[in-house]
Amino acid sequence: SQKIEQNSEALNIQEGKTATLTCNYTNYSPAYLQWYRQDPGRGPVFLLLIRENEKEKRKERLKVTFDTTLKQSLFHITASQPADSATYLCALFDSGGYNKLIFGAGTRLAVHP
Amino acid sequence: NAGVTQTPKFQVLKTGQSMTLQCAQDMNHEYMSWYRQDPGMGLRLIHYSVGAGITDQGEVPNGYNVSRSTTEDFPLRLLSAAPSQTSVYFCASKFAGEAFFGQGTRLTVV
Repeated sequence: SQKIEQNSEALNIQEGKTATLTCNYTNYSPAYLQWYRQDPGRGPVFLLLIRENEKEKRKERLKVTFDTTLKQSLFHITASQPADSATYLCALFDSGGYNKLIFGAGTRLAVHP
Repeated sequence: NAGVTQTPKFQVLKTGQSMTLQCAQDMNHEYMSWYRQDPGMGLRLIHYSVGAGITDQGEVPNGYNVSRSTTEDFPLRLLSAAPSQTSVYFCASKFAGEAFFGQGTRLTVV
């Protein structure tokens, strides 16, 4: 069956360190993968999209890698701040088209001062 | 530009009641969708629409109906609410791969 797996345990890190979150998928062949941020009581907000022919993408303090051989994406936040504390979701399109955007369950990040 | 607007924000229903969750977007996006979010299970796709007059099922469509008569609106109907439908519901539109979410509707069925 098709699955998107993100670490269900919260990630606790110290302010200023780099946070690394993992997204693994099985039985998908996505052309691209996305990362979203979700704060409590709010809807997810789009952060980054990376295509299958892109190994790495950066946006300010965010960096995403995409390894289609390992079927894995890594999401990094450098110089993390308490304001980065949130749940981060990865998402990709179901096989056969770009109409079904499927999400992982998300990983909660807590950045401590 | 309000983006994606959902109403109501909170709702309590009795088992067997029906209701419609409203969703409107002002970005002229053709694609709209509904998700439910439950603890530990993440967002699950209920129904989606690629344009006015076109709808299709997602991962968990049972118990829900949708229609799309205009580009702007995509209501979600619960015909006979069940406690298993207690959840947070999110509406989203999409353009160029990026999804834009509403603030959510927290629904409790008792």
